[in-house]
Amino acid sequence: AQKITQTQPGMFVQEKEAVTLDCTYDTSDQSYGLFWYKQPSSGEMIFLIYQGSYDEQNATEGRYSLNFQKARKSANLVISASQLGDSAMYFCAMRERYTGANSKLTFGKGITLSVRP
Amino acid sequence: KAGVTQTPRYLIKTRGQQVTLSCSPISGHRSVSWYQQTPGQGLQFLFEYFSETQRNKGNFPGRFSGRQFSNSRSEMNVSTLELGDSALYLCASSFGLAGANTQYFGPGTRLTVL
Repeated sequence: AQKITQTQPGMFVQEKEAVTLDCTYDTSDQSYGLFWYKQPSSGEMIFLIYQGSYDEQNATEGRYSLNFQKARKSANLVISASQLGDSAMYFCAMRERYTGANSKLTFGKGITLSVRP
Repeated sequence: KAGVTQTPRYLIKTRGQQVTLSCSPISGHRSVSWYQQTPGQGLQFLFEYFSETQRNKGNFPGRFSGRQFSNSRSEMNVSTLELGDSALYLCASSFGLAGANTQYFGPGTRLTVL
């Protein structure tokens, strides 16, 4: 079974508007971390935001916020005031409770976001 | 602080050859992880090194190996290259073990096997 599910097809958003990128996850652990990374066409994975499973408040980093709904196992990324430079592939990733076997990130398939001028 | 650097950025090899990729982590970071990214399989974890020891390994054949040096720089080697090894290889570093720290990625090495 997929650990991280990103099922949206390519997303389009008008410049300056907000957009939500969906991510659902599957884990039986109580302690885990959720990440969002951005990958422009250049290839580099850029860390955007982190949410710990015990964090009571949704994480925010500038124009990025994470809508964390633990009971629904969803961790959607919200980008406010989209910019042309936001056009990229976005990956949701999970790190489960640390053990020697699980100390790695599991990535979703990614979502392509295109920002229209 | 300089980010994660990877060399070379692009590489073209033929089947049967071997290749070595290099990764220099962010200064002060002691963990280096390697990932393979392909259109079909997405991002897959290869292995993690911390303090010159392999701490975790993904589900890849033994042709994929790595090592880490005392300055935390890491190399990844792929022997007997196959066409399916064509991919973007990403290196990520973290201050401590990846299981408890945020990973920061380099720009990747794009390997093409002909």
